[in-house]
Amino acid sequence: KQEVTQIPAALSVPEGENLVLNCSFTDSAIYNLQWFRQDPGKGLTSLLLIQSSQREQTSGRLNASLDKSSGRSTLYIAASQPGDSATYLCAVSGAGNMLTFGGGTRLMVKP
Amino acid sequence: SAVISQKPSRDICQRGTSLTIQCQVDSQVTMMFWYRQQPGQSLTLIATANQGSEATYESGFVIDKFPISRPNLTFSTLTVSNMSPEDSSIYLCSVERRQGYTFGSGTRLTVV
Repeated sequence: KQEVTQIPAALSVPEGENLVLNCSFTDSAIYNLQWFRQDPGKGLTSLLLIQSSQREQTSGRLNASLDKSSGRSTLYIAASQPGDSATYLCAVSGAGNMLTFGGGTRLMVKP
Repeated sequence: SAVISQKPSRDICQRGTSLTIQCQVDSQVTMMFWYRQQPGQSLTLIATANQGSEATYESGFVIDKFPISRPNLTFSTLTVSNMSPEDSSIYLCSVERRQGYTFGSGTRLTVV
């Protein structure tokens, strides 16, 4: 059974810092990995999708990498802003189109 | 990516009652997924809904408690039946597209 772990569970940084969020998964037989953002009490906003054949994806200040063989992904956020404060969720897609989520990283960027 | 309209966005319900959540997708999709997010937790898949067949439920979820309808390729409902305070959660629907999974805005349910 696929298990997804995110470290750290919570992170507080001053504005302007570059930061890295980590995601690991136990079964490397994935179709893709997706990073989401969730604001309190809200739905999920997709940030980046990495297909299993890709190594990384970039969107603006966000860069996500994937090392499928070692079961790891990182989300890099450059020059963090208070508006980046949210919970970031990593999810992997495998057999049966099933998404398995990590526990999330709660990010607080202080002005 | 797909646009999903989910409603209601939130509700406060009495224990023992039922609530039906609706999701409308802006284009046809084969499968729709229903998730639950308990307070402070990540998302857990409740069931997968295919048009024209019975939904497939994950371990720990049963049809009597969470009946699902999928009358066509753009619409699905999830009912939370005979609610108790433990059902207080955010419920989300999702579809898969080429650009990945897209989620509805969620239904925040509080059972009192």
